[in-house]
Amino acid sequence: GENVEQHPSTLSVQEGDSAVIKCTYSDSASNYFPWYKQELGKGPQLIIDIRSNVGEKKDQRIAVTLNKTAKHFSLHITETQPEDSAVYFCAAPNDMRFGAGTRLTVKP
Amino acid sequence: DAGVIQSPRHEVTEMGQEVTLRCKPISGHDYLFWYRQTMMRGLELLIYFNNNVPIDDSGMPEDRFSAKMPNASFSTLKIQPSEPRDSAVYFCASSPTGGGSPLHFGNGTRLTVT
Repeated sequence: GENVEQHPSTLSVQEGDSAVIKCTYSDSASNYFPWYKQELGKGPQLIIDIRSNVGEKKDQRIAVTLNKTAKHFSLHITETQPEDSAVYFCAAPNDMRFGAGTRLTVKP
Repeated sequence: DAGVIQSPRHEVTEMGQEVTLRCKPISGHDYLFWYRQTMMRGLELLIYFNNNVPIDDSGMPEDRFSAKMPNASFSTLKIQPSEPRDSAVYFCASSPTGGGSPLHFGNGTRLTVT
């Protein structure tokens, strides 16, 4: 399957700050790039995704950017809130395997 | 739609016993996936089905694990015999078209093997 590397593994920010999580992939034919959020006791849920024909997609405080040349895509969360605290996963493009996850903690 | 439904939510069993986990995917989704989540190994893909047919079972750890999908609305993951190292949270997910579309996860089954 596709290899995907996710960084950082943990991230702690103050409420109101921004958070950025990055995933690097290897398959240049990839065309679907999703991000999932997992809250305690629940399964991962899709929060945003992007296809390769666009470079950026926004949905309120979250955005995903794609750099196909460098083979990485990033999750951006602005104006972070305590309820953003969770584990975030990228999934390998066009594959069903996941990155190692990033535990985000937003401190009030 | 009720989403992906997994049962039981929690399972505690003794080493050597058979364990069966169950999943009902979202109606109309052609793909069904089984994942295992642990602190050490993260979220691992065990097996996935397309139209009830197993496509890739390379993630199944060993012969003690088996999965079936007898129809479009039901799948099972069986471990026989169970071992303490099988303790994990097992997730089922479904999607309309596989890797190029969002996965919809159930809330998982937490398995503890003593």
